Amino acid sequence: KAGVTQTPRYLIKTRGQQVTLSCSPISGHRSVSWYQQTPGQGLQFLFEYFSETQRNKGNFPGRFSGRQFSNSRSEMNVSTLELGDSALYLCASSLPTGDFAKNIQYFGAGTRLSVL
Amino acid sequence: GDSVTQMEGPVTLSEEAFLTINCTYTATGYPSLFWYVQYPGEGLQLLLKATKADDKGSNKGFEATYRKETTSFHLEKGSVQVSDSAVYFCALPSQGGSEKLVFGKGTKLTVNP
Repeated sequence: KAGVTQTPRYLIKTRGQQVTLSCSPISGHRSVSWYQQTPGQGLQFLFEYFSETQRNKGNFPGRFSGRQFSNSRSEMNVSTLELGDSALYLCASSLPTGDFAKNIQYFGAGTRLSVL
Repeated sequence: GDSVTQMEGPVTLSEEAFLTINCTYTATGYPSLFWYVQYPGEGLQLLLKATKADDKGSNKGFEATYRKETTSFHLEKGSVQVSDSAVYFCALPSQGGSEKLVFGKGTKLTVNP
């Protein structure tokens, strides 16, 4: 069974540009979550989508947005990039069982974004 | 709100040494607890979990016991290998009806031969 696939693996952008990252979850998984990982802040939750609806959102500015398609694939977009947006962006998928406390999340390898 | 505190390291050990990485949490009730591991250049993968108090999670020689009295979930391994070099994250599911995980800051482990 294929794992969580994130594309592209690496991106280099300049300040002010926008970027779109893609995540394909494990087949059958309907929940997709996004996290930002930086050396200073660690892993921070961006948002979670389930059945094309955003179910939870972290404390990030409105420049960060996402969406989920009917096949559960998800994209996140960052507009007007800032230097501080340089990070590893991780996507995770899960098969919701109705018990959030026990769902296991499976992570992709991430997209490394560098903003110059 | 929910939070996880873990020793940040870095931790450097010799092969076959004993490993302990401390993790304590703050949460309402008794959430499930997880340890995830991130090898260089990869995403996170679940190492072990415990879903209720006094449970012991184990995998690949690693163990962690859910202690509700001390709100802790310390990770241990009796004899580490070079291949265990990675970053280890303690985590719990956030309250609120979604898949959000709250992570500790991560502990980088380096094992030297």
